[in-house]
Amino acid sequence: EAGVAQSPRYKIIEKRQSVAFWCNPISGHATLYWYQQILGQGPKLLIQFQNNGVVDDSQLPKDRFSAERLKGVDSTLKIQPAKLEDSAVYLCASSLIRGGSGEQFFGPGTRLTVL
Amino acid sequence: AQSVTQLGSHVSVSEGALVLLRCNYSSSVPPYLFWYVQYPNQGLQLLLKYTSAATLVKGINGFEAEFKKSETSFHLTKPSAHMSDAAEYFCAVTDTGTASKLTFGTGTRLQVTL
Repeated sequence: EAGVAQSPRYKIIEKRQSVAFWCNPISGHATLYWYQQILGQGPKLLIQFQNNGVVDDSQLPKDRFSAERLKGVDSTLKIQPAKLEDSAVYLCASSLIRGGSGEQFFGPGTRLTVL
Repeated sequence: AQSVTQLGSHVSVSEGALVLLRCNYSSSVPPYLFWYVQYPNQGLQLLLKYTSAATLVKGINGFEAEFKKSETSFHLTKPSAHMSDAAEYFCAVTDTGTASKLTFGTGTRLQVTL
């Protein structure tokens, strides 16, 4: 079974530039998550999708971050414009079951460096 | 709101020694609790989870954790450390609702020495 795919693996940009990350979840997983992991911290949920609808985006900085999952499969996360504090690893995860007990499967992440 | 506290950002043990990684949770409702492991430049992998069944949970790679409600703890243990166990370990909590999100601790980096 193929895992969660993410690209690119690494990205370096200058502040005020824009950047986009792509995620393809495990086939059949309806729930998709984007997390931000700053160095030395645990992952923080940015947004959760159920199929192509947003379930929770309470911690997404909506003035600069956006995400979509148009066909209920793959997803993109965009930052525009980027700030220095956006340097982090962006993790995508998916789960078969929505909610508490469902295991989330994580992709390898995209490491973003903002100069 | 739920939260988890992981005591000790770095833990070092000798190969063959007991591994004990501490996690305490705070939740207003009965929680689900998870331990994830993250190897360098990789995503997180589930080690084990507690979902209100048995309080002693066995996971992969010889790890286990015990849910203690009276102590609000969910410590991770392994009787004998192996070099391959060196990684970052995260405790996470969620409540039992259908739209729950995982709240992670800050992580504990495990170093295994010869």
